[in-house]
Amino acid sequence: QVQLVESGGGVVQPGRSLRLSCAASGFTFSNYAIHWVRQAPGRRLEWVAVISFVGNNKYYADSVKGRFTISRDNSKSTLDLQMNSLRAEDTAVYYCVRSKRGPTYPDAFDIWGQGTKVTVSS
Amino acid sequence: EIVLTQSPGTLSLSPGERATLSCRASQSVSSSYLAWYQQKPGQAPRLVIYVASTRATGIPDRFSGSGSGTEFTLTISRLEPEDFAVYYCQQYGSSPITFGQGTRLEIK
Repeated sequence: QVQLVESGGGVVQPGRSLRLSCAASGFTFSNYAIHWVRQAPGRRLEWVAVISFVGNNKYYADSVKGRFTISRDNSKSTLDLQMNSLRAEDTAVYYCVRSKRGPTYPDAFDIWGQGTKVTVSS
Repeated sequence: EIVLTQSPGTLSLSPGERATLSCRASQSVSSSYLAWYQQKPGQAPRLVIYVASTRATGIPDRFSGSGSGTEFTLTISRLEPEDFAVYYCQQYGSSPITFGQGTRLEIK
């Protein structure tokens, strides 16, 4: 079945780094733009980053620009999010999500992973 | 960026009643690229409506969306027990993608 499965979350100290991964299955991964969306406790959903289906275009929310890097490996159907210089306000559940129309961005999100929790705390 | 404001914050209704949720945008949403998501505790959001009024795959026809420009509405005609959840609107007509703060639909 079509699914996205995130991993890599955990507890990390402020200023440190963490790498999240997302494994896709059940669809042709290379046909879709893929995003990261996060949800901090008690706050609204926040779009974080997107990578084009080929991987040559990447866009970030201002809140993470210069600190986070999104990447993908279409041969392995995987997506990564390298998070550096982490701050307390990066604490959230991070979701890997698929653009509904395939290569399009911006777009609605039709497939969501189960999320991976990141806690930034000393 | 486009700011989305949802109302009410919490809606208390009984099964069988009609629910009307509102989403207001700070600027016109291009091409009515407005989506609604349902989120239950401990779960990821689920796409309910896209392009303002199209139901996503597997969504029952008691869910309907309407609106354009800056005013959008999600209506659930007859609430079922499984419909009680938090609903978020999202605009994807312009970058960055933004979400509303959510409406909690609770059992009265």
